Amino acid sequence: SQTIHQWPATLVQPVGSPLSLECTVEGTSNPNLYWYRQAAGRGLQLLFYSVGIGQISSEVPQNLSASRPQDRQFILSSKKLLLSDSGFYLCAWSKGADTQYFGPGTRLTVL
Amino acid sequence: GQQLNQSPQSMFIQEGEDVSMNCTSSSIFNTWLWYKQDPGEGPVLLIALYKAGELTSNGRLTAQFGITRKDSFLNISASIPSDVGIYFCAPRVSGSRLTFGEGTQLTVNP
Repeated sequence: SQTIHQWPATLVQPVGSPLSLECTVEGTSNPNLYWYRQAAGRGLQLLFYSVGIGQISSEVPQNLSASRPQDRQFILSSKKLLLSDSGFYLCAWSKGADTQYFGPGTRLTVL
Repeated sequence: GQQLNQSPQSMFIQEGEDVSMNCTSSSIFNTWLWYKQDPGEGPVLLIALYKAGELTSNGRLTAQFGITRKDSFLNISASIPSDVGIYFCAPRVSGSRLTFGEGTQLTVNP
């Protein structure tokens, strides 16, 4: 069966510091991968999605970036965090256009 | 762009009551998914609908894909405390990208 992992589970970072969130999927190959942000427990905003290694599509202009160095690894990064980057970050995977399955999320607080 | 309206925004009900929530849009979709999110966790898929008019049940949950393909509803019968959470509709036009509603926050009082 497939599983999706995210770490860290929680993170508190000062404004201006860098960020790296990691997502990995097990039990499948060549998945589509997604990064979402959820503010205040409502509404998921798609940030990035990837259909393959090195292929990243950005949905929303911002100071975040994403990379996919391996088939089942998706990384969300920032060089300098803003207060507005606080939120709940969710990674998801799908097999092609099939249903998306979500990871447990990372709670990011920027102070 | 696509406009998706999910209502109600929140519901406070007594255990045992039935619940109904819906999503409407000005756009036509090919798939409607319904997710539930428990506090501090990622959303979990409840029901997937792939055909206009389709009515699907999953235990106490029932969802329908509107005949116009612009709406969907989710019903929960005989609610229990563990039904608490945020429910999201997530329709899809094509490809793998989903659009998420703003969610319905459900509170069930024992």
